[in-house]
Amino acid sequence: DSGVTQTPKHLITATGQRVTLRCSPRSGDLSVYWYQQSLDQGLQFLIQYYNGEERAKGNILERFSAQQFPDLHSELNLSSLELGDSALYFCASSVGTSGEADTQYFGPGTRLTVL
Amino acid sequence: AQSVTQPDIHITVSEGASLELRCNYSYGATPYLFWYVQSPGQGLQLLLKYFSGDTLVQGIKGFEAEFKRSQSSFNLRKPSVHWSDAAEYFCAVGPRGRGKLQFGAGTQVVVTP
Repeated sequence: DSGVTQTPKHLITATGQRVTLRCSPRSGDLSVYWYQQSLDQGLQFLIQYYNGEERAKGNILERFSAQQFPDLHSELNLSSLELGDSALYFCASSVGTSGEADTQYFGPGTRLTVL
Repeated sequence: AQSVTQPDIHITVSEGASLELRCNYSYGATPYLFWYVQSPGQGLQLLLKYFSGDTLVQGIKGFEAEFKRSQSSFNLRKPSVHWSDAAEYFCAVGPRGRGKLQFGAGTQVVVTP
């Protein structure tokens, strides 16, 4: 158990809908990352927040957005869902952003199925 | 362009035999290097990491990895595999101080009796 929690574990929804995925980082970690794992794209970095501020952005679609709250938990919002958004979404956290403080620990993931 | 290559998509190994998983990277400067393991239906567990110093790093579950700068490689090894080592293994690289990880495509390891 990495100490990173994600809810829900599974999510099944329909095309066009909007969902919110939640992540609680390890105690003491300030940085949160979101990744998407799909069969065709593999593991792709989406976005990083550090202490409430957006720090880095990857290949995140405009239909997706995220935020990190004052208590450091993070939410990833996916809207206008398409079949191709079906994937495993991972959250990771780290203490900081440099050196060994940058070691990322992953949560168990949320499996999203869009029908 | 920056890239991480795991040349072997699938490896089958007998229980008790040695295992070596290959990872090559292409980066502007020496990045941070990691190996993660994903068991079926599970998240990613950190096996080991390299930031600097000794190029042979020890990790959990009896794994080790060697960083070779001249070959831009970070290969993972285990002297004797156990049935519980059957999983998918990912090599990842991260730019120093800038967080995001770039993952290889993964190597699926099957352990036979």
